[in-house]
Amino acid sequence: DIVMTQSPATLSVSPGERATLSCRASQSFGSDLAWYQQKPGQAPRLLIYGVSTRATGVPARFSGSGSGTEFTLTITSLQPEDFAVYYCQQYNDWPGWTFGQGTKVEIK
Amino acid sequence: EVHLLESGGGLVQPGGSLRLSCAASGFTFSSYAMSWVRLAPGKGLECVSGITGTGITTYYADSVKGRFTISRDNSKNTLFLQMNSLRADDTAVYYCARDDYANDYWGQGTVVTVSS
Repeated sequence: DIVMTQSPATLSVSPGERATLSCRASQSFGSDLAWYQQKPGQAPRLLIYGVSTRATGVPARFSGSGSGTEFTLTITSLQPEDFAVYYCQQYNDWPGWTFGQGTKVEIK
Repeated sequence: EVHLLESGGGLVQPGGSLRLSCAASGFTFSSYAMSWVRLAPGKGLECVSGITGTGITTYYADSVKGRFTISRDNSKNTLFLQMNSLRADDTAVYYCARDDYANDYWGQGTVVTVSS
């Protein structure tokens, strides 16, 4: 299985600032990389797929980048509704898609 | 509009069984693989099981292999997860999710608590 490692575990950011979340894969798998946002009591929401394509309705302040084994989710100008847990996922070669352990973005 | 609705969760004693269901609507159910993903307290997301659109191929995480069985009824647009020999560490919110470009749609989840 491909192991996904996210850093940091917790990111403290002030509203209006930029947040940069990292995700590293144990091996290269192409561009089948997604990011999800999850708030307490809610289902995960797909934000980004294919490394950098925003899902329907996702604001432009969310952007994804990277290649090989290193990927990044950037949230510019954090809004109050953006404080949540974010997960990366590789979805190459069904089945057995794997998630990172998550990064919690909290208010500084 | 795509909609997924889980049911069947609850409180069960260790060693017990539960059957989760996920009712799907708004898309051609048989055309998509589906997965069960769980979120345990203090943990991250874990895909525990998946099934192809035809139901022929299935997947299980090592943590549930031999105890959980995934199935689907395409005539009723419903996904199932039979969970046997439940353990305390199976306690989690269980989500069904559609497999396409990543897990593009999710249900709201059903809570499974394994405790005596």
